[in-house]
Parts: sequence; structure tokens; C-alpha cells
Amino acid sequence: AQTVTQSQPEMSVQEAETVTLSCTYDTSESDYYLFWYKQPPSRQMILVIRQEAYKQQNATENRFSVNFQKAAKSFSLKISDSQLGDAAMYFCAYRSAVRTASKLTFGTGTRLQVTL
Amino acid sequence: DAGVIQSPRHEVTEMGQEVTLRCKPISGHDYLFWYRQTMMRGLELLIYFNNNVPIDDSGMPEDRFSAKMPNASFSTLKIQPSEPRDSAVYFCASSFRQGAFFGQGTRLTVV
Repeated sequence: AQTVTQSQPEMSVQEAETVTLSCTYDTSESDYYLFWYKQPPSRQMILVIRQEAYKQQNATENRFSVNFQKAAKSFSLKISDSQLGDAAMYFCAYRSAVRTASKLTFGTGTRLQVTL
Repeated sequence: DAGVIQSPRHEVTEMGQEVTLRCKPISGHDYLFWYRQTMMRGLELLIYFNNNVPIDDSGMPEDRFSAKMPNASFSTLKIQPSEPRDSAVYFCASSFRQGAFFGQGTRLTVV
């Protein structure tokens, strides 16, 4: 079974600075998808960024980018120019590309605090 | 599209009562997931459907929990009888490919 590990329960960053959230996963599959979700205090789960395992290029969405290291099974999220609105829980997630086994598995989350 | 719609947003019920949570997925999505979130256990996958068929219900905690998807635009999660330890936020999510999109959740409190 696939597992997702987020080893940082909490992180803090100053406004306008850069922060990196870590995620590792375990799988025997070669084709899969990885995601970062944001959950602000409103509890809405928001899809921030996605990465296809077959793509070597790291995904980028505005101030959010990932560092995908397939061999190391690592998938970190970098937030640049942090804003107060970035404060939230961030969840890393894995999904198999096999259509018959395509559940979404989440890590335990990292709580990000943004300070002035 | 209005996104994934869950109802009710909040539910308070007494122990022993039946609770039904509802979900309308995004049109065209072929996967539907039910998750439960608590402080202690985080996000737990309860069950998921593909083309209205349950694929994996191994996360359903007990026989008190049941889920149905009678058609592509509607799903229910039922708890009967409810217990205080069922108190949590229940999310429904749907997807076509890759990432899933979540509803706003139902906060269930069983007293």
C-alpha cells in the first residue's frame, strides 16, 4: 500500500520570505500523481498544485512550485513571497494512475504559520 | 460549475439517531470519495466509487456506516445508529482525472 509522510507538523515563515514543506512517499508503482492541498481555517480543501510522475519538469503555479525527486520519492512544496493568506494546513497526497486502484492517499499535514 | 455540493453543512444529533450526509459531485466526474477528518486521525478515506460502483470500502469503520451512489449526480453516507465518536468533518470529493475537488464538508456532532 502507498504511504505519504509529512515529517514537519508545523512550520513558520515571515511574510515575503520563502518556505519549503517536505513530503515523502512510498510506492512500487512507476506511474502516479502527486498533489499539494491547502486547508485554511475555513476547512475548505483547495488543490494547490499537481505533478505527474512521468514528467521530469517540476510543476509551478504562480508562487507555488514543487521539487519532485522521483528516485528519492520526495515531493516538496516551495512557497515564494509568502503572504498572510498562505497560513493553513498543507497536505501532500498520492494517487495511483492505475484506474482501478485510484484512491487519493493523504499525509498527516503541515501547519504553516505566516508572521509579519 | 458549482463544484462539489454537500449538505447539510452542520449537523447536530443525539446518540442513537440516524444521520444521512449528502453529496452532489461535479458533473462529468467519474470518481467520488468520502473522507472523514478528525484531529486525532487526520484525513481518512472511508469509501470511494468509480462510475457509481463502490471500489474500496475498507475504510468504513463499522457496519453502522453505509454509502450509496444511486446515480452519477448523487451519493449518500449514512450512519445508523450514530455515536459520539462519529463526531468529525465529513468530506465528499469528486474527480475525473488526477486531483480531486472537495466539497465544503459536513461538520457532524453527535451528543
